[in-house]
Amino acid sequence: DVVMTQSPLSLPVTLGQPASISCRSSQSLVYSNGNTYLNWFQQRPGQSPRRLIYMVSNRDSGVPDRFSGSGSGTDFTLKISRVEAEDVGVYYCMQGTHWPRTFGQGTKVEIK
Amino acid sequence: QVHLVESGGGVVQPGRSLRLSCAASGFTFSSYAMHWVRQAPGKGLEWVAVISYDGSSQKYADSVKGRFTISRDNSKNTLYLQMDGLRAEETAVYYCARDWSCSDWGQGTLVTVSS
Repeated sequence: DVVMTQSPLSLPVTLGQPASISCRSSQSLVYSNGNTYLNWFQQRPGQSPRRLIYMVSNRDSGVPDRFSGSGSGTDFTLKISRVEAEDVGVYYCMQGTHWPRTFGQGTKVEIK
Repeated sequence: QVHLVESGGGVVQPGRSLRLSCAASGFTFSSYAMHWVRQAPGKGLEWVAVISYDGSSQKYADSVKGRFTISRDNSKNTLYLQMDGLRAEETAVYYCARDWSCSDWGQGTLVTVSS
């Protein structure tokens, strides 16, 4: 199975400051068609997960543009340009290239 | 607007069975693959199973293979997860999610496996 490793696992951030989460995969996530299927999800306290980013860098509808995704191959990053109070929660990466699908352990973002 | 509503959770003894349902609305259900993903209390997300848009193909996590069966009824816009031989460590909230990249999620249904 592809192992997804996130860091850090806990991320205290000051409001208005940037935040960055790393996600590394144990195998390349480039599919045979040339696409890379790496998604990011946000789970606010007490809520279901919500997809933020698909295929590395595509923001979902309604996702603020302070969220951005980047990376390639086995190394990916989710960035929040200026953290707001509503961004508190756990963030997961998930690979959609290989079976079985696998998630990272999650990164808990909290306000300092 | 996409709407996914899971049901069927509850308390079940180890070794027993349970069937979960996920009612879909707001989109053409028969055009999308569907997943089950679970989350144990205080833990991360674990992918469980997926089924293709027409039900012809299914894939499972190794941990549930042979015990869980994913299925769908496109005439009823409903996804199912038949869970047999449940184990205590499978206590979790079970979510259904839409399409190959889990674009939309339901609110989840809690399954508690306990004697």
